[in-house]
Amino acid sequence: SQTIHQWPATLVQPVGSPLSLECTVEGTSNPNLYWYRQAAGRGLQLLFYSVGIGQISSEVPQNLSASRPQDRQFILSSKKLLLSDSGFYLCAFMGRARDRGSTDTQYFGPGTRLTVL
Amino acid sequence: GDSVTQMEGPVTLSEEAFLTINCTYTATGYPSLFWYVQYPGEGLQLLLKATKADDKGSNKGFEATYRKETTSFHLEKGSVQVSDSAVYFCALRKRPDSWGKLQFGAGTQVVVTP
Repeated sequence: SQTIHQWPATLVQPVGSPLSLECTVEGTSNPNLYWYRQAAGRGLQLLFYSVGIGQISSEVPQNLSASRPQDRQFILSSKKLLLSDSGFYLCAFMGRARDRGSTDTQYFGPGTRLTVL
Repeated sequence: GDSVTQMEGPVTLSEEAFLTINCTYTATGYPSLFWYVQYPGEGLQLLLKATKADDKGSNKGFEATYRKETTSFHLEKGSVQVSDSAVYFCALRKRPDSWGKLQFGAGTQVVVTP
């Protein structure tokens, strides 16, 4: 079965410190991968998406970057965190046509709650 | 551009009440439509979906019908439980779209009291 993991689950970081959040997917090959941010009490904002290794598209200009060093690994990073980077970060994947299950659906990880102080 | 509009919350209900969450969309063509649910402190779970006009998605007692004429995908449940307390998100995916990007509504918080 297809599963998605994120870590850490929670993180408290000082302003100006670096950030690395990791997302891994199992049970599927060459998935589309997505990073979202959910600010407190608000909806989801798509930050980055990737359709293959090393292929990253950014949706909004910001203090964050993303990388995909392996097929099923997606990393969200920052060199220097801002207070405004606080939020709930969600990773999601969408499988390909040859995988079991729908290719029309994104499946989400459990999320990482980031607090920048 | 494409957009999804949901009714604002919080929606507060008593157990066994009828729930409706309105969702309307703006998009060209025939998008796929989704409802996701987010329980406190967790990620999003797919609740149901519909891919063409007049399709009805259903799961866990929830239903939503894809209405092309009114560009709507309202979520309904006949008898809610306390465990249905969560935030519900309506979303669309344009077709064709090889990137699979979703456009989400702002979410509607539902609180069910005993």
